[in-house]
Amino acid sequence: GENVEQHPSTLSVQEGDSAVIKCTYSDSASNYFPWYKQELGKRPQLIIDIRSNVGEKKDQRIAVTLNKTAKHFSLHITETQPEDSAVYFCAATPGTGGGADGLTFGKGTHLIIQP
Amino acid sequence: DSGVTQTPKHLITATGQRVTLRCSPRSGDLSVYWYQQSLDQGLQFLIQYYNGEERAKGNILERFSAQQFPDLHSELNLSSLELGDSALYFCASSLAVGLQETQYFGPGTRLLVL
Repeated sequence: GENVEQHPSTLSVQEGDSAVIKCTYSDSASNYFPWYKQELGKRPQLIIDIRSNVGEKKDQRIAVTLNKTAKHFSLHITETQPEDSAVYFCAATPGTGGGADGLTFGKGTHLIIQP
Repeated sequence: DSGVTQTPKHLITATGQRVTLRCSPRSGDLSVYWYQQSLDQGLQFLIQYYNGEERAKGNILERFSAQQFPDLHSELNLSSLELGDSALYFCASSLAVGLQETQYFGPGTRLLVL
């Protein structure tokens, strides 16, 4: 089955700086890669996703890049703000064929924005 | 608010007991997923239903079972509970299957087994 590795486990950056979180996956059939943000005690919330026919996607301060050859994808947050402090999870799923869409998640990155 | 509802919010029970967690998907969503989140295992996919039929199984224990009813709500049954089953259980829903649809998560049920 799919295995998703996420690094780093903790990331501390100064407010206004950029943050980058990286994930690798094992199943070459995976073609849907969402990123979720989870605040303490709350539900995971989708912040951005990318599909395998796209190499990069951007939404305001957040961007995701995908390298299918190397089987890795990354989350980039620019101009970080205190409200960006949370745990971020990457995930992967084949998403097609048989309709088995259960997400395989990375272990999460605790992002800390220092004022 | 994602539109996915889960009850109860908190559940405290004893080892060996059985509990049922309930999930109502977003209006119009046909697919329901169950996930378990614990400190040691992280977020793990348990099982998926689509329009009443089981679609995929993840790391679900044999002591756990689920079903999706004609009105599309779903229940996750956990039996012979052990201390290690203490976790946050999330339900998520999406419109369909196999189309890389966004999964929207509910607020979760926090289960504590004493």
